[in-house]
Amino acid sequence: EAQVTQNPRYLITVTGKKLTVTCSQNMNHEYMSWYRQDPGLGLRQIYYSMNVEVTDKGDVPEGYKVSRKEKRNFPLILESPSPNQTSLYFCASQQGNGETQYFGPGTRLLVL
Amino acid sequence: SQQGEEDPQALSIQEGENATMNCSYKTSINNLQWYRQNSGRGLVHLILIRSNEREKHSGRLRVTLDTSKKSSSLLITASRAADTASYFCATDPPWAGNNRKLIWGLGTSLAVNP
Repeated sequence: EAQVTQNPRYLITVTGKKLTVTCSQNMNHEYMSWYRQDPGLGLRQIYYSMNVEVTDKGDVPEGYKVSRKEKRNFPLILESPSPNQTSLYFCASQQGNGETQYFGPGTRLLVL
Repeated sequence: SQQGEEDPQALSIQEGENATMNCSYKTSINNLQWYRQNSGRGLVHLILIRSNEREKHSGRLRVTLDTSKKSSSLLITASRAADTASYFCATDPPWAGNNRKLIWGLGTSLAVNP
């Protein structure tokens, strides 16, 4: 089954404690992206990757890092989480330019 | 930056009725997509309409696109309680370039009452 998986689904952490949210897709898609979703602000792109070892900033990259060492995986790293990073995070992948995006189930993060 | 704007922000209807949501956008597009999101879950792609298309159907869904008015509408016919969700439009603008970025609206929250 074609899918995007994320882990963990829920995470409560404290300010400053480094964390990683994993994302994996099994569709051999080149393009992957991370979003955060906040009430009233909609979906905002954090980082994206056009292929292995090619990543770039989206609209709200501050406080986040990503890596793309393999085509299927695109982890999101919060080196020193802060309360304003409390949000619902989505990973997505797509094959072609402007084509359908496939979303993971989301990771709900609470930073205390 | 948000380009799509859905209208209305919230819609409540009875089961069996039709639901219509609208999306307006600001710049030229390659295509426009509609997605559904059940509460707190991932977004699911519903339908993609290209800029040279005017209407598209998928099951109980009908999407129209008017590029002269920079608007699209999503019609869900014979709605069911399971259609209760938020619906988002997303546009693929030519200026996104290598990012392949979709520009998202804020969504319409649809409640279908049994």
